[in-house]
Amino acid sequence: AQSVTQLGSHVSVSEGALVLLRCNYSSSVPPYLFWYVQYPNQGLQLLLKYTTGATLVKGINGFEAEFKKSETSFHLTKPSAHMSDAAEYFCAVGHAGGTSYGKLTFGQGTILTVHP
Amino acid sequence: DAGITQSPRHKVTETGTPVTLRCHQTENHRYMYWYRQDPGHGLRLIHYSYGVKDTDKGEVSDGYSVSRSKTEDFLLTLESATSSQTSVYFCAISGTGDSPLHFGNGTRLTVT
Repeated sequence: AQSVTQLGSHVSVSEGALVLLRCNYSSSVPPYLFWYVQYPNQGLQLLLKYTTGATLVKGINGFEAEFKKSETSFHLTKPSAHMSDAAEYFCAVGHAGGTSYGKLTFGQGTILTVHP
Repeated sequence: DAGITQSPRHKVTETGTPVTLRCHQTENHRYMYWYRQDPGHGLRLIHYSYGVKDTDKGEVSDGYSVSRSKTEDFLLTLESATSSQTSVYFCAISGTGDSPLHFGNGTRLTVT
C-alpha cells in the first residue's frame, strides 16, 4: 500500500519569495515520486519525477525537489516565486513494474497563491 | 496535451442514467488510465488498460466499467449514474518503461 500527504492545502507567498510545498509519502517498495501542476480548467502537467539515481531532481519552470528516504519526503521548492506559478500542485507516488508505473497515488493537492 | 482528447468536456445527467466518457489518443501508447478528481482527495484511479482488451480495476472502480477495443480509444461507462459520481474525470496515457503520465483536459460530469 502507498499513500501521500501534502502538508497545507493552501500556501500563499509573495512574488520573489521562496516556494516550499511539502510532500510526505509511504510505500512498501522503493517509490517513484512525481510532482504535477494543474492550471484552472486544464489537465495535470508533469513538473518533475524521481525514479532512481540523483536525489535532487530539477524540473520545469525552475522547480526542484529532493528525495529524502530517511524522512520519506519529497518537498518541492522554487527559489523565487512568479505570478505565473499560481496553480494547484499535486505530489504522487508510484512504483516500478509494468502496469504499476502509472497506477499513481496522489496527494490532496496544494493551491499556491502568489501575491504581487 | 500529448494527443489526448476527452469527450464530452462537460455533461449533466440524471441519477440512474447510463453515461459513457471517451478518451482518444493519437500517440499509440500502450497504457491508458481513468482517474477522477474530487476536492480534498486529489486524483484517484478508477480503471486502467495495458493493451487492447486488457483492463484492470483501480482504487475506486465500483460503479464503473471500461472497454478498450482499439489502441486509441478507452471508454469509461457509468452503468447507472449516482450523485456521488459527480466529479471531474481525467484520462491519462503512458508508453512503456518509465515514461510519465500525460493527462487530457478532463470531463466535468454532474449527476443531478
